Amino acid sequence: ELQLVESGGGLVQPGGSLKLSCAASGFTVSGNYMSWVRQAPGKGLEWVSVLYAGGSTFYADSVKGRFTISRDNSKNTLYLQMNSLRPEDTAVYHCARGRPGSSGCDDYWGQGTLVTVSS
Amino acid sequence: DIQMTQSPSSLSASVGDSVTITCRASQSISSWLAWYQQKPGKAPNLLIYEASSLHSGVPSRFSGSGSGTEFTLTISSLQPDDVATYYCQQYNTYWRTFGQGTKVEIK
Repeated sequence: ELQLVESGGGLVQPGGSLKLSCAASGFTVSGNYMSWVRQAPGKGLEWVSVLYAGGSTFYADSVKGRFTISRDNSKNTLYLQMNSLRPEDTAVYHCARGRPGSSGCDDYWGQGTLVTVSS
Repeated sequence: DIQMTQSPSSLSASVGDSVTITCRASQSISSWLAWYQQKPGKAPNLLIYEASSLHSGVPSRFSGSGSGTEFTLTISSLQPDDVATYYCQQYNTYWRTFGQGTKVEIK
């Protein structure tokens, strides 16, 4: 069974850092493109970043230069390193698997991990 | 960035009604559009990809159409289980964007 489980969220002060993890099972992270999508409390979905199987990465303008997406193939895990955090980064962060054969939509999602940026 | 605009932002309909949600792109995205359903407190679920292809396991009452800049999601016979917020997403470029969502309720 395909599964994605996020962890690493929590309360962090503005300017701080946090690293989110997304453990995958039932498929290989390295063989698919993988995304992070966030949702602020009571708000809609916001695409954050994507990592392609070949290693290319792309970021939303709102996080570019502050967030880094990566993966550890040996652990079959996707990561999101978040630096210089701002209150507006407060959200539930979901990881998602790119639909095989597609170029940009996601067919499996994790339940998310909550990041709260506040003093 | 490509902007995605959904309408309406919310709707209320009776069980069995046909419901249509519209999504407009700020520039042509060909057919690179997906629709997702999100129930409260849950992760989104993929419904439609490439504008009109039904994702595996999704009930046939859901359908998508459109190309270029205008797209629609139709629920042919609304069911209580369809209460959710629906989002469109473009993936014409590496920098994907979502619509703001349409909340669907039962009257």
